Amino acid sequence: DQQVKQNSPSLSVQEGRISILNCDYTNSMFDYFLWYKKYPAEGPTFLISISSIKDKNEDGRFTVFLNKSAKHLSLHIVPSQPGDSAVYFCAAAGNFGNEKLTFGTGTRLTIIP
Amino acid sequence: ETGVTQSPTHLIKTRGQQVTLRCSSQSGHNTVSWYQQALGQGPQFIFQYYREEENGRGNFPPRFSGLQFPNYSSELNVNALELDDSALYLCASSLGGGKGYTFGSGTRLTVV
Repeated sequence: DQQVKQNSPSLSVQEGRISILNCDYTNSMFDYFLWYKKYPAEGPTFLISISSIKDKNEDGRFTVFLNKSAKHLSLHIVPSQPGDSAVYFCAAAGNFGNEKLTFGTGTRLTIIP
Repeated sequence: ETGVTQSPTHLIKTRGQQVTLRCSSQSGHNTVSWYQQALGQGPQFIFQYYREEENGRGNFPPRFSGLQFPNYSSELNVNALELDDSALYLCASSLGGGKGYTFGSGTRLTVV
């Protein structure tokens, strides 16, 4: 039972354009959502999070949007840079800081110079 | 500020053997979690420790066990290894509060 789904295994975007990564979830009990970035041979690195009481959170080039009614969130990266090429994981938690993270299967983003 | 460090980085074991993986959490972080990441999958939650007590467990059999020490470092023990246990094992520590978990680089376990 995959409670967090990333339906696009890969995405290629031209440098300077916007990258949009999508994530869907099924569990209404999730309260916090996070995006992690992972390079090969490294652990996931926290990027940005959003609480279920918000619909948008922005941090520099990264913006996360949450649509609770659709159980959908997205990560926007603009402008995309070559260093953004990595695997991006969406994760959800029921009570952030005290509970497990449920991860999606990841989207491999490739930025084309 | 040191991050999360895991040892060893790579390990090869034979089916039926036992393995211990180690994790030093980020300074001051009192919560540590372990995840298993199989090839092509997202990390799957194994269990979490908070101040030396198990504080949640995922869908893993009892042969996966853990410890957290007073300095908040942690161990993951796996008994009776199976081929499907081959994966990247990630340790993550947190202080809570919405800033996310800090992950180590993982231990790549191969069971042959």
